[in-house]
Amino acid sequence: GNSVTQMEGPVTLSEEAFLTINCTYTATGYPSLFWYVQYPGEGLQLLLKATKADDKGSNKGFEATYRKETTSFHLEKGSVQVSDSAVYFCALSDRLAGGFKTIFGAGTRLFVKA
Amino acid sequence: EADIYQTPRYLVIGTGKKITLECSQTMGHDKMYWYQQDPGMELHLIHYSYGVNSTEKGDLSSESTVSRIRTEHFPLTLESARPSHTSQYLCASSDTGTGNEQFFGPGTRLTVL
Repeated sequence: GNSVTQMEGPVTLSEEAFLTINCTYTATGYPSLFWYVQYPGEGLQLLLKATKADDKGSNKGFEATYRKETTSFHLEKGSVQVSDSAVYFCALSDRLAGGFKTIFGAGTRLFVKA
Repeated sequence: EADIYQTPRYLVIGTGKKITLECSQTMGHDKMYWYQQDPGMELHLIHYSYGVNSTEKGDLSSESTVSRIRTEHFPLTLESARPSHTSQYLCASSDTGTGNEQFFGPGTRLTVL
């Protein structure tokens, strides 16, 4: 079946450090891939997405590339800020019989220190 | 403005009470979802709906029930709340046309004493 595995947190970085959060997936079809972010006390919001192999999603300085050969969608940012402190969820959405299904990873908490 | 709303944002109630968590979206999305989440932790799908009069149970067994009488409204009901129901409940909606990107409400944090 489909699954998403992302690196365990928490990840603690100093401001302006480089960020990588690893995400790998297994899927039977051709899924769309997403990164969502959840700030304290809020619901999730879409950060970026990619719908086919080799697509790069980007937003707010974050980016991730859909790598079909390695079944990965790692999230990167060149210089993190304190305001990036949040929980990040990798997810895939695949078409199954009866409709789409979205599977979320377990989430990775990021702390950025000033 | 197109959005997804949840009320109440916070709820503290006693054991045995019946509660309904409200979720409404103004985006015209056909699919709606309820997730249970301990704050900042993994999401667990408890109910979903692909359209009016369609409801299905999710991956995590839940004592709650849902209804979908109108496209924009997807309330979740607990007939008799217990302390084990203490959690955050997130509602979301999606549309096949946008690659099934999910739009989330702000959540309801429920505490059962």
